[in-house]
Amino acid sequence: GDSVTQMEGPVTLSEEAFLTINCTYTATGYPSLFWYVQYPGEGLQLLLKATKADDKGSNKGFEATYRKETTSFHLEKGSVQVSDSAVYFCAPGGGKLIFGQGTELSVKP
Amino acid sequence: EAGVAQSPRYKIIEKRQSVAFWCNPISGHATLYWYQQILGQGPKLLIQFQNNGVVDDSQLPKDRFSAERLKGVDSTLKIQPAKLEDSAVYLCASSPGTSEYEQYFGPGTRLTVT
Repeated sequence: GDSVTQMEGPVTLSEEAFLTINCTYTATGYPSLFWYVQYPGEGLQLLLKATKADDKGSNKGFEATYRKETTSFHLEKGSVQVSDSAVYFCAPGGGKLIFGQGTELSVKP
Repeated sequence: EAGVAQSPRYKIIEKRQSVAFWCNPISGHATLYWYQQILGQGPKLLIQFQNNGVVDDSQLPKDRFSAERLKGVDSTLKIQPAKLEDSAVYLCASSPGTSEYEQYFGPGTRLTVT
């Protein structure tokens, strides 16, 4: 069945550091790919998405590129802020999202 | 545009009791999902509705969990009887359709079973 593997957390960075959270997946066909973010005590919010190979999703300074050849969708941000502290979930999906365990990010001032 | 609404936000019950959660999706969204999120894990799909029909309930523990979506709008998820391992956050999400649409999540209901 479909599955996703994310970089284990927690990840602790200083403000303005570069962020990469790795995500690889296995899926039937070529699903859309999503990154969701969950702030403490809240539900999940869509951060960005890509619907086909080589598409780049971006939002709030975060980016991820759909790499079909490596079945990856790594999340990057050039300069993190304290407000980016949250849990990040990578999810392939075509109607049914498959979530990994999430990667907790903590950004220190 | 109003988001996905869920109630209650928190619930504490004893094992073997019953509990129900309510979800109101975004207006016009045909697809509704219930997820279970155990602490430290990603959400796991319990059931998916398309309008008022069930699309996928393969991971719903049907001996104790039930869900319905009357008139293709609001939905309720029930647990009876609850077990300790049901302690989790129950998330409701909706989307305009299936396939490539993103899902919009509610704030969740945190259930503690003692």
